[in-house]
Amino acid sequence: AQSVTQLDSHVSVSEGTPVLLRCNYSSSYSPSLFWYVQHPNKGLQLLLKYTSAATLVKGINGFEAEFKKSETSFHLTKPSAHMSDAAEYFCVVSGVGGGSYIPTFGRGTSLIVHP
Amino acid sequence: EAGVVQSPRYKIIEKKQPVAFWCNPISGHNTLYWYRQNLGQGPELLIRYENEEAVDDSQLPKDRFSAERLKGVDSTLKIQPAELGDSAVYLCASTLVGFRGELRSHEQFFGPGTRLTVL
Repeated sequence: AQSVTQLDSHVSVSEGTPVLLRCNYSSSYSPSLFWYVQHPNKGLQLLLKYTSAATLVKGINGFEAEFKKSETSFHLTKPSAHMSDAAEYFCVVSGVGGGSYIPTFGRGTSLIVHP
Repeated sequence: EAGVVQSPRYKIIEKKQPVAFWCNPISGHNTLYWYRQNLGQGPELLIRYENEEAVDDSQLPKDRFSAERLKGVDSTLKIQPAELGDSAVYLCASTLVGFRGELRSHEQFFGPGTRLTVL
Protein backbone atom coordinates (compact mmCIF):
# COMPACT_ATOMS: atom_id res chain seq x y z
CA ALA A 1 0.00 0.00 0.00
CA GLN A 2 1.12 3.54 -0.55
CA SER A 3 -0.17 7.01 0.14
CA VAL A 4 0.91 10.61 -0.11
CA THR A 5 -0.04 13.57 2.06
CA GLN A 6 0.41 17.14 0.97
CA LEU A 7 0.41 19.00 4.22
CA ASP A 8 -0.90 22.34 2.95
CA SER A 9 -3.87 22.87 0.70
CA HIS A 10 -2.79 26.48 0.03
CA VAL A 11 0.56 28.26 0.29
CA SER A 12 0.78 32.01 -0.17
CA VAL A 13 4.10 33.81 -0.77
CA SER A 14 5.31 37.13 -2.05
CA GLU A 15 7.21 37.32 -5.31
CA GLY A 16 10.93 36.92 -4.71
CA THR A 17 10.55 34.99 -1.44
CA PRO A 18 11.26 31.27 -0.94
CA VAL A 19 8.70 28.57 -1.65
CA LEU A 20 8.19 25.41 0.41
CA LEU A 21 5.53 22.85 -0.52
CA ARG A 22 5.45 19.89 1.83
CA CYS A 23 4.86 16.25 0.95
CA ASN A 24 5.01 13.11 3.10
CA TYR A 25 4.60 9.63 1.71
CA SER A 26 4.26 6.03 2.72
CA SER A 27 5.06 3.07 0.54
CA SER A 28 5.59 -0.64 0.93
CA TYR A 29 7.98 -0.58 -1.98
CA SER A 30 11.09 1.38 -2.85
CA PRO A 31 9.27 4.44 -4.06
CA SER A 32 9.74 6.78 -6.94
CA LEU A 33 8.54 10.28 -6.18
CA PHE A 34 7.43 13.05 -8.47
CA TRP A 35 6.21 16.60 -8.37
CA TYR A 36 3.83 17.78 -11.08
CA VAL A 37 2.54 21.29 -11.74
CA GLN A 38 -0.84 22.13 -13.22
CA HIS A 39 -1.61 25.61 -14.44
CA PRO A 40 -5.28 26.58 -14.89
CA ASN A 41 -6.91 24.71 -17.77
CA LYS A 42 -3.61 23.01 -18.59
CA GLY A 43 -2.40 19.45 -18.35
CA LEU A 44 -0.03 18.14 -15.71
CA GLN A 45 3.64 18.85 -16.29
CA LEU A 46 6.50 17.05 -14.58
CA LEU A 47 8.66 19.32 -12.44
CA LEU A 48 11.11 16.75 -11.11
CA LYS A 49 11.46 13.14 -10.09
CA TYR A 50 13.32 10.97 -7.61
CA THR A 51 14.07 7.42 -8.72
CA SER A 52 16.67 6.15 -6.20
CA ALA A 53 19.61 8.14 -7.50
CA ALA A 54 20.71 11.42 -5.87
CA THR A 55 18.50 12.42 -2.95
CA LEU A 56 18.58 16.10 -3.93
CA VAL A 57 16.74 16.44 -7.18
CA LYS A 58 16.77 19.51 -9.37
CA GLY A 59 13.88 20.18 -11.71
CA ILE A 60 12.69 22.75 -14.15
CA ASN A 61 12.10 26.44 -13.43
CA GLY A 62 14.45 26.50 -10.45
CA PHE A 63 12.55 23.98 -8.33
CA GLU A 64 14.25 21.26 -6.34
CA ALA A 65 13.24 18.59 -3.84
CA GLU A 66 15.07 16.46 -1.32
CA PHE A 67 14.19 12.84 -0.64
CA LYS A 68 14.50 12.12 3.09
CA LYS A 69 13.85 8.47 3.78
CA SER A 70 14.08 8.84 7.57
CA GLU A 71 11.36 11.48 7.50
CA THR A 72 9.42 9.93 4.59
CA SER A 73 9.33 13.37 3.03
CA PHE A 74 9.85 14.87 -0.40
CA HIS A 75 9.36 18.61 0.03
CA LEU A 76 9.48 20.94 -2.96
CA THR A 77 11.42 24.19 -2.70
CA LYS A 78 12.38 27.20 -4.77
CA PRO A 79 14.64 30.02 -3.57
CA SER A 80 12.67 32.84 -5.15
CA ALA A 81 9.04 32.72 -6.26
CA HIS A 82 7.94 34.18 -9.56
CA MET A 83 4.43 35.22 -10.48
CA SER A 84 4.34 32.51 -13.14
CA ASP A 85 4.79 29.85 -10.43
CA ALA A 86 1.21 30.37 -9.28
CA ALA A 87 -0.43 27.00 -9.97
CA GLU A 88 -1.53 23.73 -8.42
CA TYR A 89 1.24 21.33 -7.40
CA PHE A 90 0.85 17.60 -6.95
CA CYS A 91 3.15 15.18 -5.17
CA VAL A 92 3.04 11.64 -6.53
CA VAL A 93 4.41 8.42 -5.06
CA SER A 94 4.77 5.30 -7.09
CA GLY A 95 5.93 1.83 -6.37
CA VAL A 96 6.30 -1.33 -8.28
CA GLY A 97 4.04 -4.06 -7.05
CA GLY A 98 2.98 -7.22 -8.72
CA GLY A 99 4.90 -6.17 -11.78
CA SER A 100 2.96 -2.96 -12.27
CA TYR A 101 3.71 0.71 -11.88
CA ILE A 102 1.10 2.20 -9.57
CA PRO A 103 1.09 5.97 -8.94
CA THR A 104 -0.83 7.70 -6.17
CA PHE A 105 -1.50 11.44 -6.22
CA GLY A 106 -1.73 13.82 -3.33
CA ARG A 107 -4.67 16.21 -3.09
CA GLY A 108 -2.62 19.12 -4.35
CA THR A 109 -1.26 22.40 -2.98
CA SER A 110 -2.34 25.65 -4.51
CA LEU A 111 0.56 28.12 -4.68
CA ILE A 112 -0.47 31.76 -4.59
CA VAL A 113 2.16 34.37 -5.44
CA HIS A 114 1.56 37.99 -4.47
CA PRO A 115 3.28 40.89 -6.25
CA GLU B 1 7.33 13.93 -30.81
CA ALA B 2 3.63 14.38 -30.20
CA GLY B 3 2.43 14.17 -26.64
CA VAL B 4 -0.66 12.47 -25.31
CA VAL B 5 -3.65 13.61 -27.35
CA GLN B 6 -7.15 13.82 -25.95
CA SER B 7 -10.42 14.86 -27.50
CA PRO B 8 -12.68 16.63 -27.08
CA ARG B 9 -11.19 19.26 -24.81
CA TYR B 10 -14.58 20.35 -23.51
CA LYS B 11 -17.96 18.65 -23.43
CA ILE B 12 -21.28 19.87 -22.09
CA ILE B 13 -24.17 17.42 -21.92
CA GLU B 14 -27.43 16.97 -20.11
CA LYS B 15 -27.76 14.29 -17.48
CA LYS B 16 -28.73 10.84 -18.68
CA GLN B 17 -26.97 11.45 -22.01
CA PRO B 18 -24.02 9.32 -23.10
CA VAL B 19 -20.55 10.76 -23.61
CA ALA B 20 -17.24 9.39 -24.86
CA PHE B 21 -13.66 10.55 -24.51
CA TRP B 22 -10.75 9.55 -26.70
CA CYS B 23 -7.06 9.29 -25.93
CA ASN B 24 -4.04 8.60 -28.09
CA PRO B 25 -0.95 7.91 -25.98
CA ILE B 26 2.67 8.60 -26.83
CA SER B 27 3.90 6.21 -29.49
CA GLY B 28 5.44 3.11 -27.98
CA HIS B 29 3.99 3.57 -24.51
CA ASN B 30 2.47 0.30 -23.38
CA THR B 31 0.66 1.54 -20.29
CA LEU B 32 -2.30 3.89 -20.42
CA TYR B 33 -4.23 5.44 -17.55
CA TRP B 34 -7.56 7.21 -17.25
CA TYR B 35 -7.98 9.56 -14.31
CA ARG B 36 -10.83 11.68 -13.05
CA GLN B 37 -9.98 14.98 -11.42
CA ASN B 38 -12.67 16.74 -9.43
CA LEU B 39 -12.37 20.44 -8.76
CA GLY B 40 -9.75 21.18 -6.13
CA GLN B 41 -8.56 17.60 -5.87
CA GLY B 42 -5.83 15.40 -7.25
CA PRO B 43 -6.39 12.94 -10.08
CA GLU B 44 -7.98 9.64 -9.11
CA LEU B 45 -7.24 6.56 -11.14
CA LEU B 46 -10.22 5.06 -12.96
CA ILE B 47 -8.55 2.38 -15.02
CA ARG B 48 -5.09 1.31 -16.11
CA TYR B 49 -4.21 -0.65 -19.23
CA GLU B 50 -1.10 -2.64 -19.96
CA ASN B 51 -1.21 -3.00 -23.71
CA GLU B 52 -4.83 -3.96 -24.43
CA GLU B 53 -5.49 -5.53 -21.03
CA ALA B 54 -7.27 -3.64 -18.27
CA VAL B 55 -5.18 -4.55 -15.22
CA ASP B 56 -6.62 -2.18 -12.61
CA ASP B 57 -10.23 -1.02 -12.89
CA SER B 58 -11.29 -1.25 -9.26
CA GLN B 59 -12.22 2.46 -9.15
CA LEU B 60 -14.24 2.43 -12.36
CA PRO B 61 -18.02 2.69 -11.72
CA LYS B 62 -18.87 -0.23 -13.90
CA ASP B 63 -22.59 0.34 -13.91
CA ARG B 64 -22.19 3.40 -16.11
CA PHE B 65 -18.54 3.64 -17.14
CA SER B 66 -16.79 1.52 -19.73
CA ALA B 67 -13.42 1.70 -21.42
CA GLU B 68 -11.56 -0.06 -24.14
CA ARG B 69 -8.11 -0.04 -25.65
CA LEU B 70 -8.31 -1.96 -28.86
CA LYS B 71 -4.98 -3.02 -30.37
CA GLY B 72 -3.21 -1.64 -27.32
CA VAL B 73 -2.86 1.87 -28.70
CA ASP B 74 -5.59 4.50 -28.38
CA SER B 75 -8.39 4.24 -25.88
CA THR B 76 -11.94 5.42 -25.31
CA LEU B 77 -13.74 6.04 -22.04
CA LYS B 78 -17.52 6.10 -22.09
CA ILE B 79 -20.16 7.16 -19.61
CA GLN B 80 -23.75 6.06 -20.13
CA PRO B 81 -25.86 7.55 -18.73
CA ALA B 82 -24.04 10.58 -17.34
CA GLU B 83 -24.98 11.96 -13.92
CA LEU B 84 -24.48 15.42 -12.43
CA GLY B 85 -21.68 14.09 -10.23
CA ASP B 86 -19.68 13.04 -13.27
CA SER B 87 -18.74 16.64 -13.98
CA ALA B 88 -14.95 16.67 -13.78
CA VAL B 89 -11.80 16.73 -15.86
CA TYR B 90 -10.92 13.35 -17.35
CA LEU B 91 -7.20 12.91 -17.84
CA CYS B 92 -5.36 10.36 -19.89
CA ALA B 93 -1.73 9.49 -19.26
CA SER B 94 0.75 7.04 -20.69
CA THR B 95 4.10 5.57 -19.78
CA LEU B 96 6.47 2.77 -20.70
CA VAL B 97 6.73 -0.03 -18.17
CA GLY B 98 9.29 -2.81 -18.52
CA PHE B 99 8.48 -6.49 -18.39
CA ARG B 100 9.37 -6.63 -14.68
CA GLY B 101 7.14 -3.71 -13.94
CA GLU B 102 9.97 -1.19 -13.76
CA LEU B 103 9.18 2.26 -15.03
CA ARG B 104 11.20 2.71 -18.19
CA SER B 105 10.27 6.29 -18.94
CA HIS B 106 10.32 7.31 -15.25
CA GLU B 107 7.27 9.50 -15.51
CA GLN B 108 3.73 9.58 -16.71
CA PHE B 109 2.95 11.86 -19.59
CA PHE B 110 -0.43 13.52 -19.37
CA GLY B 111 -2.79 14.79 -21.97
CA PRO B 112 -4.56 18.15 -21.56
CA GLY B 113 -7.73 16.48 -20.33
CA THR B 114 -11.40 16.68 -21.23
CA ARG B 115 -13.53 18.96 -19.09
CA LEU B 116 -16.99 17.43 -18.77
CA THR B 117 -19.95 19.45 -17.56
CA VAL B 118 -23.19 17.60 -16.92
CA LEU B 119 -26.25 19.84 -16.65
